[in-house]
Amino acid sequence: DAGVTQSPTHLIKTRGQQVTLRCSPISGHKSVSWYQQVLGQGPQFIFQYYEKEERGRGNFPDRFSARQFPNYSSELNVNALLLGDSALYLCASSRQGARGYTFGSGTRLTVV
Amino acid sequence: DAKTTQPTSMDCAEGRAANLPCNHSTISGNEYVYWYRQIHSQGPQYIIHGLKNNETNEMASLIITEDRKSSTLILPHATLRDTAVYYCIVRVELVGGGADGLTFGKGTHLIIQP
Repeated sequence: DAGVTQSPTHLIKTRGQQVTLRCSPISGHKSVSWYQQVLGQGPQFIFQYYEKEERGRGNFPDRFSARQFPNYSSELNVNALLLGDSALYLCASSRQGARGYTFGSGTRLTVV
Repeated sequence: DAKTTQPTSMDCAEGRAANLPCNHSTISGNEYVYWYRQIHSQGPQYIIHGLKNNETNEMASLIITEDRKSSTLILPHATLRDTAVYYCIVRVELVGGGADGLTFGKGTHLIIQP
């Protein structure tokens, strides 16, 4: 089975631009969550989606938004990019009742 | 979620057991101890979790003290591929579909020496 896949793997954007990151969960996984990992820090929780509904949200500004599609894939959108948004963005998926999340390898976003 | 304290870094010789400590003195009765690791340039990987009994799987063993205020992750025969950042996370049981995510600290950078 394919793991959690994220695209693109690397991305460079300019301050003020908008970006969309994509995530395909493992087949059969209905839960997707997003994390931001700044260099030298652990991942920070952004969003949790289950059955296409937002179930949880971390302490991030409204510039961050996400959605989950009928096929359970997900997009993370970040508007008005700041230099501080430069980070590795990780997506994780799980099936209901699972005891752990499976993470993708992430999208490395650089804002210049 | 309860806070955890881990050493910033540790070294271990290849082939030896790696013992990674974690302090969680404010853990609540319904909170589990989870361990994840992150190898460079990859996403975090689930290792093991437990409530109060010791746990073992194909990757590692988890030893939780009787008062549950600390735990140790044991990699029985460390290899170079075990070099990674190891995160100890304490939270209520994580069930897929739940509302909240994982709270990662800075973890322990484990370096396996040849």
